[in-house]
Amino acid sequence: GQQVMQIPQYQHVQEGEDFTTYCNSSTTLSNIQWYKQRPGGHPVFLIQLVKSGEVKKQKRLTFQFGEAKKNSSLHITATQTTDVGTYFCAGPEYGGSQGNLIFGKGTKLSVKP
Amino acid sequence: DGGITQSPKYLFRKEGQNVTLSCEQNLNHDAMYWYRQDPGQGLRLIYYSQIVNDFQKGDIAEGYSVSREKKESFPLTVTSAQKNPTAFYLCASSPLAGASYNEQFFGPGTRLTVL
Repeated sequence: GQQVMQIPQYQHVQEGEDFTTYCNSSTTLSNIQWYKQRPGGHPVFLIQLVKSGEVKKQKRLTFQFGEAKKNSSLHITATQTTDVGTYFCAGPEYGGSQGNLIFGKGTKLSVKP
Repeated sequence: DGGITQSPKYLFRKEGQNVTLSCEQNLNHDAMYWYRQDPGQGLRLIYYSQIVNDFQKGDIAEGYSVSREKKESFPLTVTSAQKNPTAFYLCASSPLAGASYNEQFFGPGTRLTVL
């Protein structure tokens, strides 16, 4: 079945270092969404990418959607302790008309001050 | 103040007991979802509903049941048939039924522990 894979599973960085998580889908996606879950919290929507090759920025966060619309990345510049959490990508279920999302397993980011 | 509420935040039950988790939204969203989250497993879809009085099984529906009698409410029952019910349960909603461009809004979750 359809799979959305994320790497790495865990990433430990020193505060101020950059961080990147990668998302790969087994199928072409109409769009991709990114969510952040703080420790002990719930996922919160960050952004949605729709166009092939699209790049969007939110302050220190840069999101990219691949040309083939099968992969995406999230890059954080100069991490801060507030960036700690698990980052999930999610894409629509292939062939589905129900609006369901398939979530990756997430990348857990820890930041050492 | 609009949002999704789940109660309780923590729930303990004895093995063999059914338990119902509450999920209410006042966002006027059509679609609602239940996910299960285990460490390192991401979010797995249990059930979803696009409209009142209709719901569909997700990837891991066995041992669970739901109802959607009102647009605002989508309770999940974890039955005694669920072999490993201890997990973090998340309810979510999205504005338009069947639209893949919807973001999903999540409730705070219920952490269920079965003893």
